Amino acid sequence: EPEVTQTPSHQVTQMGQEVILRCVPISNHLYFYWYRQILGQKVEFLVSFYNNEISEKSEIFDDQFSVERPDGSNFTLKIRSTKLEDSAMYFCASRVTGGSYNEQFFGPGTRLTVL
Amino acid sequence: AQTVTQSQPEMSVQEAETVTLSCTYDTSESDYYLFWYKQPPSRQMILVIRQEAYKQQNATENRFSVNFQKAAKSFSLKISDSQLGDAAMYFCAYLIPNNDMRFGAGTRLTVKP
Repeated sequence: EPEVTQTPSHQVTQMGQEVILRCVPISNHLYFYWYRQILGQKVEFLVSFYNNEISEKSEIFDDQFSVERPDGSNFTLKIRSTKLEDSAMYFCASRVTGGSYNEQFFGPGTRLTVL
Repeated sequence: AQTVTQSQPEMSVQEAETVTLSCTYDTSESDYYLFWYKQPPSRQMILVIRQEAYKQQNATENRFSVNFQKAAKSFSLKISDSQLGDAAMYFCAYLIPNNDMRFGAGTRLTVKP
């Protein structure tokens, strides 16, 4: 069964460093998402991406964040200069397009620890 | 704004017993979907069950069922014959078609042997 994959599973970085979180969505999916979950808190929407551009973003997704689909398979989230409060679990999700219901399939997440 | 509220931060159930997790939501939309996700210690998000708002019949998936009360904007999850493997965080989520998902704060379920 096709699934969303994310790498790495755990990333440790120093404050101020840049990190890139990688996701491989399900191959026939066209909408991509990043969500964040700070430890002990709820999952929060960061950004959605379609047709090589951001379609929606939350207030969390400030200028430190960027997303890219560098090739036909990967979908990346870049944090330019990490802060301690960026420590969280980051989930990628994808869905097909068309129809009124489009379930989002979640990846296993990347745990980001900023020291 | 669409919000999802889970009023029970923690719940506990005896193995083989039944437990109900509560969820309410606020929306002005008529077309939407509701979900329950399970998040075990691995922190992966696992879809448990979903409900289309236009369907009156409550969704069921084996031991999991929902009580969907559209007028009251309530969407509770019932777990029957609870098993030790059901222990996890459970998140209620709301989705408008072609939009992002909104999650509740979660309920931590403990299953006692």
